[in-house]
Amino acid sequence: KAGVTQTPRYLIKTRGQQVTLSCSPISGHRSVSWYQQTPGQGLQFLFEYFSETQRNKGNFPGRFSGRQFSNSRSEMNVSTLELGDSALYLCASSLEGTSGGNLAKNIQYFGAGTRLSVL
Amino acid sequence: AQSVTQLDSQVPVFEEAPVELRCNYSSSVSVYLFWYVQYPNQGLQLLLKYLSGSTLVKGINGFEAEFNKSQTSFHLRKPSVHISDTAEYFCAVSDPRGGSEKLVFGKGTKLTVNP
Repeated sequence: KAGVTQTPRYLIKTRGQQVTLSCSPISGHRSVSWYQQTPGQGLQFLFEYFSETQRNKGNFPGRFSGRQFSNSRSEMNVSTLELGDSALYLCASSLEGTSGGNLAKNIQYFGAGTRLSVL
Repeated sequence: AQSVTQLDSQVPVFEEAPVELRCNYSSSVSVYLFWYVQYPNQGLQLLLKYLSGSTLVKGINGFEAEFNKSQTSFHLRKPSVHISDTAEYFCAVSDPRGGSEKLVFGKGTKLTVNP
C-alpha cells in the first residue's frame, strides 16, 4: 500500500507570492492533517480535514488555508508569502479520524514533506 | 490544553550503549502517546504508540517505551543503539475523546550515535 504522498518535495518562492501544496493520503484514509516544522517553533499543527470539512485549526493567520476533496486528497495554500513561512510542511493521514472502537483509527502516518523556501 | 516536554534537546551516545530519551506530558485528560523518528530530509516515521492496555510498549527497530501515568511520562529506551539510530526523535500526544486527530509535539531530541 502506498504511503502518504506530498508534492512537490521542494519549492522556492519569493515574498508576496502564493503557494499550493498537495497531499495524497494512504488509500482508505479519510482524515488529513497538516503541520509546519521550523527549527525555532518545532512541529506545529496547522489544520485537519475529515470528509471535506475542516475539523480543527491551529493558531496560524488566515493566509494559511486548506481544503480536502471527495477522494480525501488535500491541498494547503499560503498566500502573500513571508520569509518566516520558510519551513518543512508535513501532511499526515489517519484511517477515519474518530476515537473509540478501533484504536488504529487514531494513528497518523506522515508524508516526506514539502520544503518551502521563501526568498 | 496539552503540552509535551522533551527534557534533552541533544543526546550523544556511543554505539552499542543503552539510551533513554525522556518525555513528559501535561494534560487534564487521558491521552494517547506516540514516539516518532525523523531522519535527515525525511518525514516522520511512527516508532511506537500507547493507546491503552499494557504500559510497556514495544516498537520498531528495538525501541520500547513505558507509560507512567503518575509521573506523566513516556520515556523511550533502547538497550543497544546503532549508528543508524542517529536521528531526531519526537514525542507527541493526542486527545482520545474524539473530534480531532491533532498531535501536540515536543521540541524533539537529536540522538547522535558515535562509533
